[in-house]
Amino acid sequence: DTGVSQNPRHKITKRGQNVTFRCDPISEHNRLYWYRQTLGQGPEFLTYFQNEAQLEKSRLLSDRFSAERPKGSFSTLEIQRTEQGDSAMYLCASSHPPGGSTDTQYFGPGTRLTVL
Amino acid sequence: GNSVTQMEGPVTLSEEAFLTINCTYTATGYPSLFWYVQYPGEGLQLLLKATKADDKGSNKGFEATYRKETTSFHLEKGSVQVSDSAVYFCALSGTQGGSEKLVFGKGTKLTVNP
Repeated sequence: DTGVSQNPRHKITKRGQNVTFRCDPISEHNRLYWYRQTLGQGPEFLTYFQNEAQLEKSRLLSDRFSAERPKGSFSTLEIQRTEQGDSAMYLCASSHPPGGSTDTQYFGPGTRLTVL
Repeated sequence: GNSVTQMEGPVTLSEEAFLTINCTYTATGYPSLFWYVQYPGEGLQLLLKATKADDKGSNKGFEATYRKETTSFHLEKGSVQVSDSAVYFCALSGTQGGSEKLVFGKGTKLTVNP
């Protein structure tokens, strides 16, 4: 049983650099979510996909952030021109589609980003 | 919009003590309610959930009841163990199962001492 996986687990970058994170969901899940968690806070929703379609984006997702899920399987989250305020844990989750009681979101271990 | 307010931490208890972590919510419609747990160095794990009013979610000795009249979903455990030390997050979503976005509280850190 493979859960949600995320790579890399840790990323340290300098301000102004671009970074990209990858998420591989549970294979039979067609919904994929991105959240951001800063120290001492709960996760905050960024965006989610159903298959390859991006269905919702939070206002937190500035134009420096872009997420893709090109073939409806893995997803990437790119941050351009990183800022120190982007330092956070980036979490990915996946679920079944809506319509039943089994569509709970399952989370990956996260990618911790540190912007120097 | 939807929001979750949970008890500020940290909470420190002795082993076998009774635990309550309060959680209240504001939402339109009929949200589903969740408790997630984050053990040190690990990712978020679903602890329990309830999808409609008066439902009780339970797992690993933890329980929470969906109270629509008080808009609450308090987490309880009768006798905590050292292994329960973790951060607990209350969350809600807009659909019955939870496949729309989750809105989380800030988390409550629990430390259980032997």
